[in-house]
Order: sequence, then structure tokens, then C-alpha cells
Amino acid sequence: DAKTTQPNSMESNEEEPVHLPCNHSTISGTDYIHWYRQLPSQGPEYVIHGLTSNVNNRMASLAIAEDRKSSTLILHRATLRDAAVYYCILSSNDYKLSFGAGTTVTVRA
Amino acid sequence: IAGITQAPTSQILAAGRRMTLRCTQDMRHNAMYWYRQDLGLGLRLIHYSNTAGTTGKGEVPDGYSVSRANTDDFPLTLASAVPSQTSVYFCASSETGYTEAFFGQGTRLTVV
Repeated sequence: DAKTTQPNSMESNEEEPVHLPCNHSTISGTDYIHWYRQLPSQGPEYVIHGLTSNVNNRMASLAIAEDRKSSTLILHRATLRDAAVYYCILSSNDYKLSFGAGTTVTVRA
Repeated sequence: IAGITQAPTSQILAAGRRMTLRCTQDMRHNAMYWYRQDLGLGLRLIHYSNTAGTTGKGEVPDGYSVSRANTDDFPLTLASAVPSQTSVYFCASSETGYTEAFFGQGTRLTVV
């Protein structure tokens, strides 16, 4: 299974952007890049996903490197409610979403 | 819209007892999953099902069994619980292996 590497933690100030990196150097051509987040005492929540092109939705943007070996999740204006653990995951048709330790994001007021 | 419903919310179970965690989805998704999350760690896949009638093993399947008799339900059974199975269990579903997954709120299980 292709794996991802993320920093353990990141801090941000409220109202500032947050850039969360993810390395996935062994990604295969058909793997999608997914991001989920988990707020305290809750189940994971879908954030965004993409294959090759950059993606935007109401929650975040996903920037994918041209060689697809890395990606960055961008939270444009962090709020206190964005404090969570963010997981970068590769999905394929084997149905085995593999969650690593994720990045713990702290937002300072 | 309920999405994913898990029951019970929490349970304290004596070691050696049998327990079934229930999971129901109302989105008609083909795929369903069971994960466990130990304190301070990420989620680990126990079992999955890509369609009704089929199941597969994840990273940590030992001590657990699942069935998928229909599209909506995906129960997880601990035949004889042990303290190392103390964890928070999350059920999830998705349309395919590539699409977004929806997670339940979890079942907190303590085996004593």
C-alpha cells in the first residue's frame, strides 16, 4: 500500500492561511489523494480529494505537485473550529483507506 | 439525513464476552468499513466490504468478524473480547474505493 508522510504538528494564527504538506512518493497512477480531518471526540470528516489537478471547495484547496509525489492542503483563513488532526490518504480500488498519524493543527486566537 | 448510525455509543464489556457493534447507512453506498482508533493514534482498518455479500480483511482483522448481508448494514462482531480490544470503533461508507467516505460518530468500547 502506498503511504504518506506528514508533519506531526503545525500551528497557525486565526484568520491566517495554513499550508499542510503531504509526501506520497510511492503513489501509483490511479491513486486519489484524499484529505480528512478529525475534530476532538468525533469521527473523521471528509475535506477534499483530487487526482492530478488542483481542487477547490468550500472548506479548502488542494494543490497537487506535477509529479504527484506531494500535495498541500490549504486552509485559506484558519478559524478556531479548524483545530483538528488532518489526515492525508491515498485511495485506490482496493478499498483500503490507510490513515497514518496525521498532522495536529493548533489555531491560536 | 442520518448518514452512518452506530450503536451502541459506548459499552463496557467483560473479557471473554461476545459483542456485536452495529452500523447502518442510509446512503445506499456500495462500500463499508470498520476502523479502530486507540488513544492518541490514527485509525486502523479492521475489515471492509466493497459490496453486499463480500468482505475483506484490513490491517488488524484478528479477533473480529464481519458480515454484509445487505447494502445498509455492516455489523462487527468480537467473538471473545480481550482488553487489547479496548478502543473507539468507527464505521464508514463510500460509494466506491475512490470517493469520499462518511464516518459514524464511533462506539467507545472498554473491555475489562
